[in-house]
Amino acid sequence: GAGVSQSPRYKVAKRGQDVALRCDPISGHVSLFWYQQALGQGPEFLTYFQNEAQLDKSGLPSDRFFAERPEGSVSTLKIQRTQQEDSAVYLCASSLKGTLQETQYFGPGTRLLVL
Amino acid sequence: GNSVTQMEGPVTLSEEAFLTINCTYTATGYPSLFWYVQYPGEGLQLLLKATKADDKGSNKGFEATYRKETTSFHLEKGSVQVSDSAVYFCALSDPSGGSNYKLTFGKGTLLTVNP
Repeated sequence: GAGVSQSPRYKVAKRGQDVALRCDPISGHVSLFWYQQALGQGPEFLTYFQNEAQLDKSGLPSDRFFAERPEGSVSTLKIQRTQQEDSAVYLCASSLKGTLQETQYFGPGTRLLVL
Repeated sequence: GNSVTQMEGPVTLSEEAFLTINCTYTATGYPSLFWYVQYPGEGLQLLLKATKADDKGSNKGFEATYRKETTSFHLEKGSVQVSDSAVYFCALSDPSGGSNYKLTFGKGTLLTVNP
């Protein structure tokens, strides 16, 4: 595929469940980003990978959030013991290198609803 | 810290009307500025960008000029079409502090264009 893909597109979880969200970046893109977008808000940065290295996880809201990119391609964002405040759209983006002026290409997002 | 403030929506216009969506920013360094657009059911797409003061970004009839003196990056289009209906996000990336890859977004402005 030509773009960033994410799965699932929608996820409903009961409070306390663990969830895993997948991101397939554009082939060959070195950098990968996760953002969280609450209803009516702009996306907020969560974490950044360069290849398999997680270089910045300063935006992860709690230690229940964990992201990995073990082979430098596909990434998974895991949320343990989900809470209602985790309900949001989770966006993945990739870029060729991740430098200042470079375009980030976004996936369609995973909409997570925690009941 | 960095922040982006954009005019609150929703904005409703008739086809062929003039569009302005205001965006102002606060940044530590000299940021790059972006407008992203999100069409219904799709991911965020880069609309245009500007990387230094007085640069004008343009695409698909949309324009925005990087104004350092007023810390603004207002989006304009001379004649909107129904197909421009979407949510528009202003964003910045700041080279200071070593995290120049991180995008900071405004809350978004919903634009609806009626025939």
